[in-house]
Amino acid sequence: AQTVTQSQPEMSVQEAETVTLSCTYDTSESDYYLFWYKQPPSRQMILVIRQEAYKQQNATENRFSVNFQKAAKSFSLKISDSQLGDAAMYFCAYKRYNNNDMRFGAGTRLTVKP
Amino acid sequence: DSGVTQTPKHLITATGQRVTLRCSPRSGDLSVYWYQQSLDQGLQFLIQYYNGEERAKGNILERFSAQQFPDLHSELNLSSLELGDSALYFCASSENGQGNQPQHFGDGTRLSIL
Repeated sequence: AQTVTQSQPEMSVQEAETVTLSCTYDTSESDYYLFWYKQPPSRQMILVIRQEAYKQQNATENRFSVNFQKAAKSFSLKISDSQLGDAAMYFCAYKRYNNNDMRFGAGTRLTVKP
Repeated sequence: DSGVTQTPKHLITATGQRVTLRCSPRSGDLSVYWYQQSLDQGLQFLIQYYNGEERAKGNILERFSAQQFPDLHSELNLSSLELGDSALYFCASSENGQGNQPQHFGDGTRLSIL
């Protein structure tokens, strides 16, 4: 079974600084997708970034980037120039290539200090 | 705004009752997914429909059922409700039923069982 582990229940960062959120996963598959979702206090689930396992290049979306280490089964999210609006729960998620059963980690609560 | 509409936003009912949660996917999306987010279980995939047919099943209880109608909206029916069913229920949609498409989430329906 695929599991997703987020080992940091809470993280904090100073505004304008950089923070990295960790995620590891367990799978025997070679083709899969990884995602980071953001859930602000408004409780919406917002897609931040996604990575296809077959791509070696790390995905980036503006201030958000990932460090995808396939051999280590690690998928960390780096937020640069943190803003107050980045404060939220962040969920790492895994999905097999031909299966839509998306598995989520327990989440990391990010606080941004002004 | 993800384009996915869920109604109602809040629902309060009693044990033993039955409720129906409704979801309208983004325009053009054929696939609908249902998730349950609870404090003890985290975010769990329940079920997926694609163009009216069940495509994938996750940790969905037998007391729960879902369907997708010809206009592509979906309903999640929860019956014989128990206190432990209190949770945030998310609907998500994607363009097709393939795993490479990102899922866009609605704002959720918060179900409270008294």
